[in-house]
Amino acid sequence: GENVEQHPSTLSVQEGDSAVIKCTYSDSASNYFPWYKQELGKRPQLIIDIRSNVGEKKDQRIAVTLNKTAKHFSLHITETQPEDSAVYFCAASLNDDKIIFGKGTRLHILP
Amino acid sequence: KAGVTQTPRYLIKTRGQQVTLSCSPISGHRSVSWYQQTPGQGLQFLFEYFSETQRNKGNFPGRFSGRQFSNSRSEMNVSTLELGDSALYLCASSSDRVGNTEAFFGQGTRLTVV
Repeated sequence: GENVEQHPSTLSVQEGDSAVIKCTYSDSASNYFPWYKQELGKRPQLIIDIRSNVGEKKDQRIAVTLNKTAKHFSLHITETQPEDSAVYFCAASLNDDKIIFGKGTRLHILP
Repeated sequence: KAGVTQTPRYLIKTRGQQVTLSCSPISGHRSVSWYQQTPGQGLQFLFEYFSETQRNKGNFPGRFSGRQFSNSRSEMNVSTLELGDSALYLCASSSDRVGNTEAFFGQGTRLTVV
């Protein structure tokens, strides 16, 4: 079955700097890769997703890249702000009926 | 449009007991998935239901079971509770196949087993 590895588990960046979170997946047939953000005490919410027919997708300060050959995808947050502090989860799906999540990255934005 | 609703929000149970958690999806959504969230383990997939049928199952013991009703509401049951079952249980609903469309999460039920 699909396995998703996520790194780092904790990341601290200075406000205004960029943050990068990386994930690898095991099943080369996976074709849907969402990213979820979970603020403290709140539910996870989708922030961006990418499908396997696209190499990069951007939404304002957030971008996701996908390398199908290497089976890895990354989340890039530019010009980080205090409200970006949260736990971020990557996930992969085989276009079926389950999403496999990584273990999460706790992002701290330092003032 | 109301979001995904989970009840109860908090539960305290003793070892050996059983518990039932409830999830009401967004109106019109037919897919409901369940996840266990623990520190350090992230979100672990339990199972997914679509139109009252379990379509997929994660690697959890048979003590964990679920069902879905004709109105798409879903319940999850855990029997013979163990201390390690203490976690936040999240359900998510989606309009179609959860691996193809955005999944909307509920607030979760925090289960504490003592």
